[in-house]
Amino acid sequence: GAGVSQSPSNKVTEKGKDVELRCDPISGHTALYWYRQRLGQGLEFLIYFQGNSAPDKSGLPSDRFSAERTGESVSTLTIQRTQQEDSAVYLCASSLNYEQYFGPGTRLTVT
Amino acid sequence: AQSVTQLDSHVSVSEGTPVLLRCNYSSSYSPSLFWYVQHPNKGLQLLLKYTSAATLVKGINGFEAEFKKSETSFHLTKPSAHMSDAAEYFCVVSDQISGATNKLIFGTGTLLAVQP
Repeated sequence: GAGVSQSPSNKVTEKGKDVELRCDPISGHTALYWYRQRLGQGLEFLIYFQGNSAPDKSGLPSDRFSAERTGESVSTLTIQRTQQEDSAVYLCASSLNYEQYFGPGTRLTVT
Repeated sequence: AQSVTQLDSHVSVSEGTPVLLRCNYSSSYSPSLFWYVQHPNKGLQLLLKYTSAATLVKGINGFEAEFKKSETSFHLTKPSAHMSDAAEYFCVVSDQISGATNKLIFGTGTLLAVQP
């Protein structure tokens, strides 16, 4: 079946602009996660959605970052007023139990 | 807080020789531990998981890992490396402190190179 998909695969933006990243989870997966992977580093947890519960936003690095999820489907991660330190690969994962399935990521470059 | 430490940022082996990627964890209770692999330009793939059952865990592609509580280690091994094993490997612990969140805490990764 289809895995987790993310769009766009690559995004180049100018400093100060807003960007929106999209994640389509595996159908039926109730949990959705966003992570950030900076060059040469492991993944950092950003935010977690589980069904209709309030999301766990404890990993968001600043109030410029926000995310939404409609029901148990698509999620969007929005970064406002992008900074160069936001350049990274943003990964989405979905899960039905404990195993998380990752998408291919969106590579964001802020110039 | 839970954490993992991958002791080697780069490991290079010859094809057909054993692979050892080292990982130590820190946890105040019995953790869930994972190894993920990331091939170039591909998504993360789960290799294997430990969730308090058997301490020797077998994964895909001939990899296995042993949970050693006394050493707080979860090293990844494979008897014979293949060229296709060249990738980055992440040791991961599941953070259950936040209740249902089950967010993953990643190590910094070990880049495995396999020489012909």
